[in-house]
Amino acid sequence: DIQMTQSPSSLSASVGDRVTITCRASQSIRSSLNWYQQKPGQAPKLLIYAASSLQSGVPSRFSGSGSGTDFTLTISSLQPEDFATYYCQQTYSTPWTFGRGTKVEI
Amino acid sequence: EVQLVESGGGLVQPGGSLRLSCAASGFTFSNYWMGWVRQAPGKGLEWVANIKQDGSEKKFVDSLKGRFTISRDNAKNSLYLQMNSLRAEDTAVYYCARIQYGSGSFWFDPWGQGTLVAVSS
Repeated sequence: DIQMTQSPSSLSASVGDRVTITCRASQSIRSSLNWYQQKPGQAPKLLIYAASSLQSGVPSRFSGSGSGTDFTLTISSLQPEDFATYYCQQTYSTPWTFGRGTKVEI
Repeated sequence: EVQLVESGGGLVQPGGSLRLSCAASGFTFSNYWMGWVRQAPGKGLEWVANIKQDGSEKKFVDSLKGRFTISRDNAKNSLYLQMNSLRAEDTAVYYCARIQYGSGSFWFDPWGQGTLVAVSS
């Protein structure tokens, strides 16, 4: 199984900060990496697919990069509604696996 | 509007069974792979299973093979998860999600709101 190591597990930030979350795969997954945002009591929401493609309707302050084993989600200027937990997911091979999540807090 | 609505969750005793349903609307259900993901209370996301458009291909996480089965009824625009021999560790919110494909990759979008399964005596 492909292991996804996400870091940090949590971070404290302020509105307007630039935030970077990383995800490392235990083997190459090419660009089969997605990012989701989850707020308490809600279902996950797709932000980025195929490593760097912004899902329709998602603000442009979110961006994704990377390929192979190392990936990054960047929020260029953190907004109040961005405080949430973020998960990476690989879909290169089954079992599809998620990172453990990064909780972004004030 | 694309919508997925899960149902069938609830409290069940260890060893019991439960069948979850996911009603799809707003898109041509038979054109998409579909999947289930679960989330134990306070924990992260765990992929459970996927099923091909016509039901001919199914993929499962190894730890659940033999206890859980995935199926679909395209005439009813519905996805199902049959869960047998339930254990306390199966307690989770279960989400259904549509699988999209492009650029050589797959992703889940959208997700349903989830249904809670609690396994306890």
